[in-house]
Amino acid sequence: EDQVTQSPEALRLQEGESSSLNCSYTVSGLRGLFWYRQDPGKGPEFLFTLYSAGEEKEKERLKATLTKKESFLHITAPKPEDSATYLCAVQYGGSQGNLIFGKGTKLSVKP
Amino acid sequence: NAGVTQTPKFQVLKTGQSMTLQCAQDMNHEYMSWYRQDPGMGLRLIHYSVGAGITDQGEVPNGYNVSRSTTEDFPLRLLSAAPSQTSVYFCASSPGQIARGYTFGSGTRLTVV
Repeated sequence: EDQVTQSPEALRLQEGESSSLNCSYTVSGLRGLFWYRQDPGKGPEFLFTLYSAGEEKEKERLKATLTKKESFLHITAPKPEDSATYLCAVQYGGSQGNLIFGKGTKLSVKP
Repeated sequence: NAGVTQTPKFQVLKTGQSMTLQCAQDMNHEYMSWYRQDPGMGLRLIHYSVGAGITDQGEVPNGYNVSRSTTEDFPLRLLSAAPSQTSVYFCASSPGQIARGYTFGSGTRLTVV
């Protein structure tokens, strides 16, 4: 049973077309929810940590929000350089400080 | 400011061979982890360490061994390579404070033939 589920698996957008990526989780005792960006052939790059429902974080065209069961990564007016795989991960009471990852959403932004 | 350094970047092994994937961090982080990434499977935890001398198993530990003799280094050993271990391996480190997240290395792409 997946503890972290990301949707959609892949998303194709036109430049400037805003959208959202979803990350739902079923763990108990959430300590933090993380968003990472991964470019082909590279390691994940840290974007945000969210701790509690209602929290929001922003970085350039990206905005992450958190509810009790899911998180959204909103991408406003994306550019081709935003193309990457976006990974969601959780740290919870039973994970011994480790991150449990979803399978990611591959975003392609066409000019 | 090197961060997390993994070597080698690429490796081809024959079935049954052994090897060690190296991981070093220069940020004095307490937590270190090894993940493997396979298409359609996401990142899965192999082994982790919460400090020098302390290691534990993650989700997929079979066929791998780790040790943590220093804060800086966390090598991953493949005891007898199998084709199922063909994957991309990532090492990550964290100071243990949630806000600062984990820093990942650039990965080792391993092929077992």
